[in-house]
Formats: sequence, structure tokens, C-alpha cells
Amino acid sequence: AQSVTQPDIHITVSEGASLELRCNYSYGATPYLFWYVQSPGQGLQLLLKYFSGDTLVQGIKGFEAEFKRSQSSFNLRKPSVHWSDAAEYFCAVGAGSNYQLIWGAGTKLIIKP
Amino acid sequence: NAGVTQTPKFQVLKTGQSMTLQCAQDMNHNSMYWYRQDPGMGLRLIYYSASEGTTDKGEVPNGYNVSRLNKREFSLRLESAAPSQTSVYFCAAGARETQYFGPGTRLLVL
Repeated sequence: AQSVTQPDIHITVSEGASLELRCNYSYGATPYLFWYVQSPGQGLQLLLKYFSGDTLVQGIKGFEAEFKRSQSSFNLRKPSVHWSDAAEYFCAVGAGSNYQLIWGAGTKLIIKP
Repeated sequence: NAGVTQTPKFQVLKTGQSMTLQCAQDMNHNSMYWYRQDPGMGLRLIYYSASEGTTDKGEVPNGYNVSRLNKREFSLRLESAAPSQTSVYFCAAGARETQYFGPGTRLLVL
């Protein structure tokens, strides 16, 4: 069955430090992969997506993610976090002919001043 | 250009009451989706509509019905609300691979 795992429920990093959020997926075919961000009390905003081609994708707000087929991973990175990055981050894989999204449980990012 | 809008933003119901959550999009996308979000569980698909006039069940459809009124609007109805339906509900509209989300409706069922 298709699934998405985000192993870290919470991650705390200092402002200015680098960030990596982990995402592993299980999907039989070539996946479409997404990262979304949800600020407190808000809807979800697309950060970046991978469909094919270059396995390192750039997104908004200085985020990037790397698709590693051998590890079934699509980890999100940012070189230097800002306090405004505090939010919950969701990884998702697109499945089926109608591109239904299968979601991870989310990782809450906490920024220490 | 409002994107995806949802009404109401917040609702309290008593067990057994009914209500309809409204969703509208102005992006001319064919596909629309209803999700619920519960702590620690990410988003779960309730129903989706690939195009006007079609609807399909998602992962957790029990206790819900939907109507794709036209290309713009996709409503979610709870016929007899239960406490287990306390959640945050998100509507999304999609163009193939990417979905765009509304701000959500917080529903509390007492």
C-alpha cells in the first residue's frame, strides 16, 4: 500500500541553523512528491514538488528537496532557518489517475531564538 | 482572485445536527477535494471530484456526502454529526499534480 512517513513529529532548531526534514515514501510507480507548509491556523501552501528530471528541486522561501529513489526519500532542506519558518511541514505523494495525495503525519518545526 | 474559499470558518454542532460546508474556487480547476485534518494523522481524503458531475469516495467517506454543484463549487454535508467528526476540514482545488487549499473550517461536535 502507498504510504508516506515523516519520522520526526517535532524538530527544534536554532534560528540561523540548517534544517533537514525527513520524508520516506512507499509507492510502486514513479512518484510525484510534494512538500507543503502550514502556518498556525492557516491552510496549506505548496513549497515545492518533484515530478521528474533533476532530483534536486528548488522551492519557495529558500527551501529545497532532494529525491533519492534508492532510499525512497524526499527530504526537505534549508541552509539557514528564520523564525518565520516555524510551522508544520507535510510531505505527500501523488497517486492514482486523479492525483490523489497521500500525506505524511507532518513535522512541527520549532525555532529557538 | 481569492483562490479557494471556505465557509464557515468555525462551527459548533450538537450530536445529530446536520450542516453543509461550502467550498468555492475561482481558478477554473477541474478537480476538487475535501480533507479532514486530525492531530498526528496528517490529512485524510474524504471525497473528491475529478470533474463537474462526478464524485468519488476517498479514504474516510463514512458519515459524509458531497455535491459538485458546478465547476466552482464543491460542498460537504454531515447529515447527522458525531463527536468523531470534530476536526478541521480543508477543501482543495487541483490542476493535475498540484492542489491549492482553502483556509479550513474548524468543526466542533458536542
